[in-house]
Amino acid sequence: EVQLVESGGGLVHPGRSLRLSCVASGFALEDHAMHWVRQTPGKGLEWVSGITWNSEKIVYVDSVKGRFTVSRDNTKNSLYLQMDSLTREDTGTYFCARDRIVRSSSWYEFDSWGQGTLVLVSS
Amino acid sequence: SYELTQSNSVSVALGQTARITCGGDDIGSRNVHWYQHKPGQAPVLVIFRDTNRPSGIPERFSGSNSGNTATLTIVRAQPGDEADYYCQVWLGRTFSVLFGGGTRLTV
Repeated sequence: EVQLVESGGGLVHPGRSLRLSCVASGFALEDHAMHWVRQTPGKGLEWVSGITWNSEKIVYVDSVKGRFTVSRDNTKNSLYLQMDSLTREDTGTYFCARDRIVRSSSWYEFDSWGQGTLVLVSS
Repeated sequence: SYELTQSNSVSVALGQTARITCGGDDIGSRNVHWYQHKPGQAPVLVIFRDTNRPSGIPERFSGSNSGNTATLTIVRAQPGDEADYYCQVWLGRTFSVLFGGGTRLTV
C-alpha cells in the first residue's frame, strides 16, 4: 500500500525556520517526482514546490522562492521542505504528494497524498 | 500569468447531476486533473488528464475539457460527495503547477 506520512509541523514565531519531512512507503520514492502542496486558512490548495525524480528540476511558487528549499533522500525514502524566514501567510496544512508517472521529465497528476502536517506561524 | 477560475460553490439535490467547471485560457490544450478534498483528510485524485478515472473512483464521476472550460460531472450525487473540488494543471513552460480556487459541493 502506498503511504505518505508528513511530520515536522508545529508552532513557530515569524522569521524562524521549520523543516518538514515526508516518509514514503509502499513504493520506490526514487522513481517519482514529488510535490509539496499547502492549504492555508480559509483558502484552497496551493502548490508550493516540486522536485523531479532525479532532482534535476526543482521549482517553487513565487511566494516562497528564496525562503523554502525542497530536497529528497531516496536512500531514506524521504522528502523534505526546509522553510526559512516564515511569515504568518505560511500558516497552513502542508501535504506531500506523489506524481503518478515514473521517471518522467514532465509533471502529471498527484495520485497519492499524505494526511498533512500543520504549520502555525504566530508570535 | 495563467489563472484557473472555479465557482465558489455548487449545490445539487440528492440523486441529481452536479457540474463543476474550471475556466482558463485555452485550457482545452492542457491536461486537467481534479481532486476531491474533505476536511481533515488527504485530497483524492478523482479525474486525471481530462477524462480518466483512477481505480476505485465511482463511474458516477466523469470529466471533459474543451476550449476555455474543463468540467467535472458527478451524476446521482450522494451525501458522501460533499467536499471541495479542485482543478489542477501543469504549466510546462515554467514547470509550475496551478490549482483552481476550489468549488464547495453541497448535496
